[in-house]
Amino acid sequence: EAGVTQFPSHSVIEKGQTVTLRCDPISGHDNLYWYRRVMGKEIKFLLHFVKESKQDESGMPNNRFLAERTGGTYSTLKVQPAELEDSGVYFCASSPFLGGAYEQFFGPGTRLTVL
Amino acid sequence: GENVEQHPSTLSVQEGDSAVIKCTYSDSASNYFPWYKQELGKRPQLIIDIRSNVGEKKDQRIAVTLNKTAKHFSLHITETQPEDSAVYFCAARPTGNQFYFGTGTSLTVIP
Repeated sequence: EAGVTQFPSHSVIEKGQTVTLRCDPISGHDNLYWYRRVMGKEIKFLLHFVKESKQDESGMPNNRFLAERTGGTYSTLKVQPAELEDSGVYFCASSPFLGGAYEQFFGPGTRLTVL
Repeated sequence: GENVEQHPSTLSVQEGDSAVIKCTYSDSASNYFPWYKQELGKRPQLIIDIRSNVGEKKDQRIAVTLNKTAKHFSLHITETQPEDSAVYFCAARPTGNQFYFGTGTSLTVIP
């Protein structure tokens, strides 16, 4: 079974530019999560999709971040315009179950560097 | 919201020794506590988890203990091996579906 995939693995952009990250969850997983880890800190929740609907976007830092999951399959996270503090590793995770105590399967992450 | 603290941030042990990583949480509603291991350049992977109705769980050389009263849980790795070297993250899940993670522990096992 293929795991969660993310593209690109690395992205280096200048402040003010736009970047779009993509996540392909495990096939059949309705739940898709975005997390971010800023260097040395915790992995922090950004938002949660159930199929194509945003279930919880309480962790999104501000309106420069836009997440979509059209059709309920892959998801994109766009940062526009990027700021220095947006640098970090962006993880995507997926899970087949809603609620309860279940594993979330993580992708390898996209390392974003904003110069 | 939930706040998870993790200690130590770095840990070095000799091969064959034990390693212990400790986490505390603040939200008494948390009922699921997974531990993830992230090897260099790889994705975080679940290595063990525990639910709030259980006090201890073991899987070969790895064990997790949970003290609900004190709101802390710990990861224990016995007979450490070089391949145990990685960053370990604890997490807690209160109500809702998101995980709250600790800041990670970088474990180095010295051959």
